[in-house]
Amino acid sequence: AQSVTQLGSHVSVSEGALVLLRCNYSSSVPPYLFWYVQYPNQGLQLLLKYTTGATLVKGINGFEAEFKKSETSFHLTKPSAHMSDAAEYFCALNTGANSKLTFGKGITLSVRP
Amino acid sequence: NAGVMQNPRHLVRRRGQEARLRCSPMKGHSHVYWYRQLPEEGLKFMVYLQKENIIDESGMPKERFSAEFPKEGPSILRIQQVVRGDSAAYFCASSPLLAGTDTQYFGPGTRLTVL
Repeated sequence: AQSVTQLGSHVSVSEGALVLLRCNYSSSVPPYLFWYVQYPNQGLQLLLKYTTGATLVKGINGFEAEFKKSETSFHLTKPSAHMSDAAEYFCALNTGANSKLTFGKGITLSVRP
Repeated sequence: NAGVMQNPRHLVRRRGQEARLRCSPMKGHSHVYWYRQLPEEGLKFMVYLQKENIIDESGMPKERFSAEFPKEGPSILRIQQVVRGDSAAYFCASSPLLAGTDTQYFGPGTRLTVL
């Protein structure tokens, strides 16, 4: 069985500050890992994904995440927050092509002026 | 290339009525997934379909819920005799029929409210 843990439900940062959103996973097989962003009343947009290869992956809007197998983590970072980054962020995993996604509960990011 | 389309975007039903949610995958995509998002929770998998086949329905409630993806037309998630606990956002995602494909593309969702 697989699971994704996103501790806390809300993170608040100042504009220009570092964004760090944590994600830990559990999987009995090598996982594929994803970060999605959801703006209010919209669907989910893919930010980035890790499948195989380089463990540091870069995504859209300046976000990146690092897969650390030893820590079973896939934390999302952005060096400098922008007001437009305010949204809900979901970490998810699946176990390969054509398989269901297992999501964390999500984290709401607020950005203070 | 149009994205995943879902309609209606908002649906209001009274207890006991039926709800039909439609999902048109991206062009060229033949895999469809349905997820449900309850308030304060993440998305939960419901069902995975390919054209005319249900591949995995392990997340579907045993009663009142059904899904189909016919050869022609959109995928349909059907909820019979809705109850207040069915109020949620229902998201559809699609992916193409390609070996090694792992990315699912999400629609905007249908927000179901049961009165």
